[in-house]
Amino acid sequence: SQQGEEDPQALSIQEGENATMNCSYKTSINNLQWYRQNSGRGLVHLILIRSNEREKHSGRLRVTLDTSKKSSSLLITASRAADTASYFCYNTDKLIFGTGTRLQVFP
Amino acid sequence: KAGVTQTPRYLIKTRGQQVTLSCSPISGHRSVSWYQQTPGQGLQFLFEYFSETQRNKGNFPGRFSGRQFSNSRSEMNVSTLELGDSALYLCASSLSKDRGETQYFGPGTRLLVL
Repeated sequence: SQQGEEDPQALSIQEGENATMNCSYKTSINNLQWYRQNSGRGLVHLILIRSNEREKHSGRLRVTLDTSKKSSSLLITASRAADTASYFCYNTDKLIFGTGTRLQVFP
Repeated sequence: KAGVTQTPRYLIKTRGQQVTLSCSPISGHRSVSWYQQTPGQGLQFLFEYFSETQRNKGNFPGRFSGRQFSNSRSEMNVSTLELGDSALYLCASSLSKDRGETQYFGPGTRLLVL
């Protein structure tokens, strides 16, 4: 199946630390969205970055996009236990999700 | 404003049966998309509808079909169920067909095929 690659697959950190996850595609990226999923439930939209943007911030989230490398990264600063979830990137033009990163934040 | 609702939330079927899942989008949203999530294949795009027209269809066999009604509610149907169809089926709605539009996901329907 066609999927974007995300790494790491899993990440465990302590509260207060930063978490970085990366996403790459074999196809071009025009619009890339990041979503969070808690325990197999519905996804929650976090942030959108378009191809004419290199970096975008939203609260404790920072997203970068490198269209030449067809990759994006999501940084969560000062992580909290409530950030424990799976994170997915989504290439909305190609309708392809990434494989996901499971983040565990320990109090 | 009420969120995206999906019914039923849980479903158990046997091989060979068919199933219909329902999705009610957020009021005013005209675009509805469906996704399948499994541990092995991850999140896979199934269909996208806008104003009762199917815009895109993912790489799934013809046993998977869907439709959207004039009130934007959507249904998807899977006929001749196989064990591999066991999955979480997610529906998402958005205001328009703009690819940058935020999608709002429902809680999903968990289907188990025995």
